[in-house]
Amino acid sequence: GAVVSQHPSWVICKSGTSVKIECRSLDFQATTMFWYRQFPKQSLMLMATSNEGSKATYEQGVEKDKFLINHASLTLSTLTVTSAHPEDSSFYICSALGGQGKWGNQPQHFGDGTRLSIL
Amino acid sequence: LAKTTQPISMDSYEGQEVNITCSHNNIATNDYITWYQQFPSQGPRFIIQGYKTKVTNEVASLFIPADRKSSTLSLPRVSLSDTAVYYCLVGAYSGGGADGLTFGKGTHLIIQP
Repeated sequence: GAVVSQHPSWVICKSGTSVKIECRSLDFQATTMFWYRQFPKQSLMLMATSNEGSKATYEQGVEKDKFLINHASLTLSTLTVTSAHPEDSSFYICSALGGQGKWGNQPQHFGDGTRLSIL
Repeated sequence: LAKTTQPISMDSYEGQEVNITCSHNNIATNDYITWYQQFPSQGPRFIIQGYKTKVTNEVASLFIPADRKSSTLSLPRVSLSDTAVYYCLVGAYSGGGADGLTFGKGTHLIIQP
């Protein structure tokens, strides 16, 4: 149980294009989803918290106009990297938190990540 | 935010028990302690979670002392496939925000034959 699917797993595109990444909770409803970015040999960095039906909360230093997050349903959140440039190349990972209330006793369930390469 | 500190790397051998300790001196009352395993080019995988004392599941044990300022992940009889990065995450979710979702640098565990 608690499976999170992320698509695509790998994408290469030209500089200036926009890329959309989907994160789906397959067997549970996710009231909250998180988006992370991970550079090679580094830890995960939280980019934003996405709550179903409301605007995402972005971490300090993350451009909300560049990284558009939509969480329109309890099973789907999307991250769109707009006008992507080579410095946006990274490993993007989503996670989902099911149920209501505190996540503290409900661990995050992670997708398998999306490798984004901007040429 | 509860900051975590772990050893950067550890080495062990197949069949041994491995203990990885995480320090979290400013853990808050509502915070839980969660450990994840990550292989290259994959998302983290949940291992175990606890609040206090000891928690055990089919793959690991988690020991938390009374002051909760540290925790130890114990992996019994490791194999080569346990080579990965292990993260401890301390925090809680409250209302519209997420507290403590700051991953530390993790521990790169290398298992040798």
